[in-house]
Amino acid sequence: DGGITQSPKYLFRKEGQNVTLSCEQNLNHDAMYWYRQDPGQGLRLIYYSQIVNDFQKGDIAEGYSVSREKKESFPLTVTSAQKNPTAFYLCASKFRLPANTGELFFGEGSRLTVL
Amino acid sequence: AQTVTQSQPEMSVQEAETVTLSCTYDTSESDYYLFWYKQPPSRQMILVIRQEAYKQQNATENRFSVNFQKAAKSFSLKISDSQLGDAAMYFCAYRGRGNTPLVFGKGTRLSVIA
Repeated sequence: DGGITQSPKYLFRKEGQNVTLSCEQNLNHDAMYWYRQDPGQGLRLIYYSQIVNDFQKGDIAEGYSVSREKKESFPLTVTSAQKNPTAFYLCASKFRLPANTGELFFGEGSRLTVL
Repeated sequence: AQTVTQSQPEMSVQEAETVTLSCTYDTSESDYYLFWYKQPPSRQMILVIRQEAYKQQNATENRFSVNFQKAAKSFSLKISDSQLGDAAMYFCAYRGRGNTPLVFGKGTRLSVIA
């Protein structure tokens, strides 16, 4: 089955530690995205990548880093510089072609808690 | 920058009744897409319905329909014959031309009362 797999689903981190959230898709999508979800804040864009080896900052990129070495993978690292990292993180992907309607497909999310 | 506003943080509806969720957006573009996503307690985001701005006809998907008012920059979602499984967070989203990322509203939590 095609889809987007995020891991781990739940993650606990001590303050000062970096942590990496995995996102893998087998939909052959070009573009991949990371959103952060907080109560009452909706979904806010952290980073996105349209093609391999290229990515752009979103609205709240500070304290986060990404890489896009493979089309299928777009890992997100939450660094110790992120002041309030406890949140629910959603990865999404879609085709890049303009002919596409732009529908995003989402993973099931990762819940990060800083202790 | 485009913004999406959902003015109703919470809504409730009786089972089998109809409810309308509001969404307004701000843009200077003339060509864009609008979406409604549902996020049930499982937190899996599910596309409910989409609307292309160049289409005047309102999109419909079974019990879900939209009222798209381009001049007013309004994009409301109507759920008819509400079911218990419709209880969820609903997010309105905007995407401009090209490959710009989706911009989401803050969401409306819908409760369905049996």
